Amino acid sequence: KAGVTQTPRYLIKTRGQQVTLSCSPISGHRSVSWYQQTPGQGLQFLFEYFSETQRNKGNFPGRFSGRQFSNSRSEMNVSTLELGDSALYLCASSLYGGGTSLEYFGPGTRLTVT
Amino acid sequence: GQQLNQSPQSMFIQEGEDVSMNCTSSSIFNTWLWYKQDPGEGPVLLIALYKAGELTSNGRLTAQFGITRKDSFLNISASIPSDVGIYFCAGHGGGSNYKLTFGKGTLLTVNP
Repeated sequence: KAGVTQTPRYLIKTRGQQVTLSCSPISGHRSVSWYQQTPGQGLQFLFEYFSETQRNKGNFPGRFSGRQFSNSRSEMNVSTLELGDSALYLCASSLYGGGTSLEYFGPGTRLTVT
Repeated sequence: GQQLNQSPQSMFIQEGEDVSMNCTSSSIFNTWLWYKQDPGEGPVLLIALYKAGELTSNGRLTAQFGITRKDSFLNISASIPSDVGIYFCAGHGGGSNYKLTFGKGTLLTVNP
């Protein structure tokens, strides 16, 4: 069974631009969560989607948004990029999410904002 | 919010040595997970723990879910060079808290 895939793997954007990252979960998994990883803050939860609905959201500004499609694929969008948004963005999929099933991570998208 | 304190921050050991790292929390977790992350990759799940007191092994790795549900440890026996990486503990608080809370990680270096 294929693992979680994320595209693109690397991205360079300029401050003020917006960016969209994509995540394809493991086949059959209905929950997708997004995390931001930085050296200073570690891994921080952004949001979780299940059956196209956002179930939980972390403490990030409204510039960070996401959505999930009927095939469980998910996208996250960051608008008006800031230098501090440079990070590794990870998505994780699980069967049902919510701590009831294990989460498996993708390789991440490395975003650099200049 | 919930926070996990993971220690040590880094370890430098000789090949063949045993390693131990732990995580503590001020609040209760219903699930404890241990992940390993290699450079440029996403975290890979090593061990999942679901019950207080549970002791689970995965090859040379052993992890335990603390009785108080506020701590967990991971042991690696007879370390080898490919054990190098960052090890993260993570926990689910349960209820309506759907997110995984992560520790800051333990950087393990193994000297051949």
